[in-house]
Amino acid sequence: DVKVTQSSRYLVKRTGEKVFLECVQDMDHENMFWYRQDPGLGLRLIYFSYDVKMKEKGDIPEGYSVSREKKERFSLILESASTNQTSMYLCATMGLDSYEQYFGPGTRLTVT
Amino acid sequence: DQQVKQNSPSLSVQEGRISILNCDYTNSMFDYFLWYKKYPAEGPTFLISISSIKDKNEDGRFTVFLNKSAKHLSLHIVPSQPGDSAVYFCAAGEYNNNDMRFGAGTRLTVKP
Repeated sequence: DVKVTQSSRYLVKRTGEKVFLECVQDMDHENMFWYRQDPGLGLRLIYFSYDVKMKEKGDIPEGYSVSREKKERFSLILESASTNQTSMYLCATMGLDSYEQYFGPGTRLTVT
Repeated sequence: DQQVKQNSPSLSVQEGRISILNCDYTNSMFDYFLWYKKYPAEGPTFLISISSIKDKNEDGRFTVFLNKSAKHLSLHIVPSQPGDSAVYFCAAGEYNNNDMRFGAGTRLTVKP
């Protein structure tokens, strides 16, 4: 079974703090994704990576950056957290042989 | 610009009856479509998919229908069970792109 884990289930940060969200997968998948889920908007893609050290912007990259130094790990960084980044953040992975994405349990981030 | 739209935010059906969840898309280049199911406090899990070359795919109680001319797909659940109560996301993608577009989700409630 594919396992995708996220570093925290719940996180509370203050405005202006730097925030790191980490995602780790154990299935050797090439592709990894970061989404945010907001009511009425569904899942929106922030960034994705198709290989180590490679990254592509999604639909809403502003205010975020990512890092993929190892194949199994994909980090989302909020350089200076703002209240409008309060959301559920979901990491996902996808192999080369399928278009099915496997999701982690999500991190509920609250920025106060 | 939402390329994948789920216009019904919620749906309530009686146990044993059919649930029909709808999804519309605007991008005629989409090659494949997927449905995901999401329980609270969990990441989405893959349910069923369909390629653009097909118009129907069935897996047990779940059937997805694709109408390419109308750019519309639907998920049928027969018979519906209380355990099916969840948020359902429609997603679509292109074979030459790694990213996927998600709808806003439909919350299905199946009443005993």
